[in-house]
Amino acid sequence: QQQVKQSPQSLIVQKGGIPIINCAYENTAFDYFPWYQQFPGKGPALLIAIRPDVSEKKEGRFTISFNKSAKQFSLHIMDSQPGDSATYFCAAAGGGADGLTFGKGTHLIIQP
Amino acid sequence: DSGVTQTPKHLITATGQRVTLRCSPRSGDLSVYWYQQSLDQGLQFLIQYYNGEERAKGNILERFSAQQFPDLHSELNLSSLELGDSALYFCASSVTPLTNQDTQYFGPGTRLTVL
Repeated sequence: QQQVKQSPQSLIVQKGGIPIINCAYENTAFDYFPWYQQFPGKGPALLIAIRPDVSEKKEGRFTISFNKSAKQFSLHIMDSQPGDSATYFCAAAGGGADGLTFGKGTHLIIQP
Repeated sequence: DSGVTQTPKHLITATGQRVTLRCSPRSGDLSVYWYQQSLDQGLQFLIQYYNGEERAKGNILERFSAQQFPDLHSELNLSSLELGDSALYFCASSVTPLTNQDTQYFGPGTRLTVL
């Protein structure tokens, strides 16, 4: 069964700290790995995405690190702010026309 | 605002009933996806349509069905509702049907409560 495992479930970080959220996948046919950010009462919104041909991608304060051999990828948020408090989902797709396979989500709180 | 609209925002109904959720994709997007978000199962892909045709099926129950109309809006029909169907239902859209090539933009969701 296609799965994406995400950890931790919840995370509390002080403002300015670097929260790290980790995901692992099983299906080697996956070749697209997006991260989505969801605020309460809203739909998920794409934050940043990576493909297996690169090991790292940065967009602003958000960085994805990708380890193809370990089948793991992670999200780092630099200089975190209280406005980054949200639920973050990793996801994966590839190998067919199916929808995104999501991790269970990480509830992130950035304390002032 | 993603440009994807969903109606209604909230829906409260009773077990055994049937409901219809509606989604209008972003202008220019031909592909529509439906997802279910619940506390225990997380975000799960249900079904995808592309330009009016069913493209892919995920964990969609037989009691659920969907369609995409010529104007590209989509409807998700849920019948014989059970308490466990209470969840947030999201619609997402993209230009192409290729999940691994194209960004999916999510609507604000419909919260379904089955009493």
